[in-house]
Amino acid sequence: DTAVSQTPKYLVTQMGNDKSIKCEQNLGHDTMYWYKQDSKKFLKIMFSYNNKELIINETVPNRFSPKSPDKAHLNLHINSLELGDSAVYFCASSPPGRPFGGYTFGSGTRLTVV
Amino acid sequence: KQEVTQIPAALSVPEGENLVLNCSFTDSAIYNLQWFRQDPGKGLTSLLLIQSSQREQTSGRLNASLDKSSGRSTLYIAASQPGDSATYLCAVFDGNKLVFGAGTILRVKS
Repeated sequence: DTAVSQTPKYLVTQMGNDKSIKCEQNLGHDTMYWYKQDSKKFLKIMFSYNNKELIINETVPNRFSPKSPDKAHLNLHINSLELGDSAVYFCASSPPGRPFGGYTFGSGTRLTVV
Repeated sequence: KQEVTQIPAALSVPEGENLVLNCSFTDSAIYNLQWFRQDPGKGLTSLLLIQSSQREQTSGRLNASLDKSSGRSTLYIAASQPGDSATYLCAVFDGNKLVFGAGTILRVKS
């Protein structure tokens, strides 16, 4: 199946731990994103990468570090987790070229920090 | 800074009704607009993508319009069904990222 896939789907962890979320797309897209959906269901951009190059970093704490080993993968590592980091994290990708194509989203990772 | 507003925040209708969801954005310099559906605890499913040069897009019972100059889009759902119950999200692409509205929670009662 062509898709954006994220792992894990659920993540429960204690404050202070370090965790990673992985994302892979097999759509041939060259831009990938991380979005955060908070408790009020509002979706906000965190990072975007284009061909492994960081394009957007939206005032996200430096405890969050994205890594893109190649244009099909964009992982999110979070250090020293805090209660406020609890949210659903979505990975997405979009195709190259114009007209700008639509985004495809992964199914999300629900992170709960206890 | 681009801001996207969706009205109403929630909507409950009986099955079979036609309905309209509204989306407005503050900066008309967009490249496209995308409507998504999100079911509880699930990811986002793309419904319709309208390029900035287009006025509308249709898919089945869904029709989305775009008036870029006035900063508005509407999603029209014909003959609503209980299976249409979900949160509908509008998002505009500014050339770098999608900016989302807060969504409209739709409930279609059988």
